[in-house]
Amino acid sequence: DADVTQTPRNRITKTGKRIMLECSQTKGHDRMYWYRQDPGLGLRLIYYSFDVKDINKGEISDGYSVSRQAQAKFSLSLESAIPNQTALYFCATSGRQGDYGYTFGSGTRLTVV
Amino acid sequence: TQLLEQSPQFLSIQEGENLTVYCNSSSVFSSLQWYRQEPGEGPVLLVTVVTGGEVKKLKRLTFQFGDARKDSSLHITAAQPGDTGLYLCAGAINRGGGTSYGKLTFGQGTILTVHP
Repeated sequence: DADVTQTPRNRITKTGKRIMLECSQTKGHDRMYWYRQDPGLGLRLIYYSFDVKDINKGEISDGYSVSRQAQAKFSLSLESAIPNQTALYFCATSGRQGDYGYTFGSGTRLTVV
Repeated sequence: TQLLEQSPQFLSIQEGENLTVYCNSSSVFSSLQWYRQEPGEGPVLLVTVVTGGEVKKLKRLTFQFGDARKDSSLHITAAQPGDTGLYLCAGAINRGGGTSYGKLTFGQGTILTVHP
């Protein structure tokens, strides 16, 4: 099994719909992150969580919300999807020395039509 | 504002050539990482450098961290088609006092294509 599992892998949804992307990890790490990837823009941080009770906004959190259900689970929701949220979404996890490397999931390709 | 500038954005070369990718910032990093990403997959960590001036080698890949910990380079010797992919640098910004909050800032990436 993968260390970080994201579901679904691909999703097409309509404008205005609520959608949830799920992430689970088996690394036993405290820290989890949600990133968005767009061509030419690299990876941009949406939300991050340093433990179950600690959730923080990243640089592009507007239009998104998260839930840390357990140490191993971190979900991302789009409350009312819009077309410019079409992107690749990645979940990642790291140990407390987060700057020593992240482990990423395989991503969710989301298309909002 | 892009805190980490990667160059070049695109690189298309022939098998056997050498190449260098650069990652620059005006900020000091507590550590810097390089990742490689293939289509349909998430980034995979290649290396972490933490000491100014540090050089690490991974087979044909050489990673260097600048003395002032503001820049880094990735050099590939005798590139092969299997090296094709997106290369990303990512840094943890030193917020003074040596404390890193564990959040990484990513460069925009370099798309490398190695032709047989």
